Amino acid sequence: GENVEQHPSTLSVQEGDSAVIKCTYSDSASNYFPWYKQELGKRPQLIIDIRSNVGEKKDQRIAVTLNKTAKHFSLHITETQPEDSAVYFCAASRSFQKLVFGTGTRLLVSP
Amino acid sequence: DSGVTQTPKHLITATGQRVTLRCSPRSGDLSVYWYQQSLDQGLQFLIQYYNGEERAKGNILERFSAQQFPDLHSELNLSSLELGDSALYFCASSPGGLAGGSEQFFGPGTRLTVL
Repeated sequence: GENVEQHPSTLSVQEGDSAVIKCTYSDSASNYFPWYKQELGKRPQLIIDIRSNVGEKKDQRIAVTLNKTAKHFSLHITETQPEDSAVYFCAASRSFQKLVFGTGTRLLVSP
Repeated sequence: DSGVTQTPKHLITATGQRVTLRCSPRSGDLSVYWYQQSLDQGLQFLIQYYNGEERAKGNILERFSAQQFPDLHSELNLSSLELGDSALYFCASSPGGLAGGSEQFFGPGTRLTVL
């Protein structure tokens, strides 16, 4: 069945460093790849997404890259800040269908 | 604020009971999705409705059912509750169909505790 693997499960960085989270998906028909940030007890918040016809997308300190051939996509956060600390989930889906989530990465940014 | 509302925020009940969770999608969104988040299972898709009709089913137990009403709000009914049903239940909505995109926006969730 469909599966999304996410690594690492935890990531600790110093403030100002970069953070990279990687995901691999199994369903080759997936064409939409969002990333969500979730703070403890709160809802997942969409922070960036990419579609399969694009290789890279950037929004200020956040960027996402997609390698369709390898079925990999990654989240890059530059100049990390303590408020970036949260759990980050990647997901994959076909258009207008369910999201298949990765298992999450707990990011801790130390001042 | 995503524009998706869910009630109640918290629900504490006993095993064997039945509860109803309610979700109102963002204005104009036709698709509603229900997800369950537990510590050991992560975020799991339960069911999707589009404009009142069931579109897809995930790992939803037979004890669970859902529907989407003409005003597009949705309800998730959980019956014969077990301890393992304790989780956060999220509703998400998206425009769906040809008129809109794939982005799903999540509500604040309902935390269900079964004692």
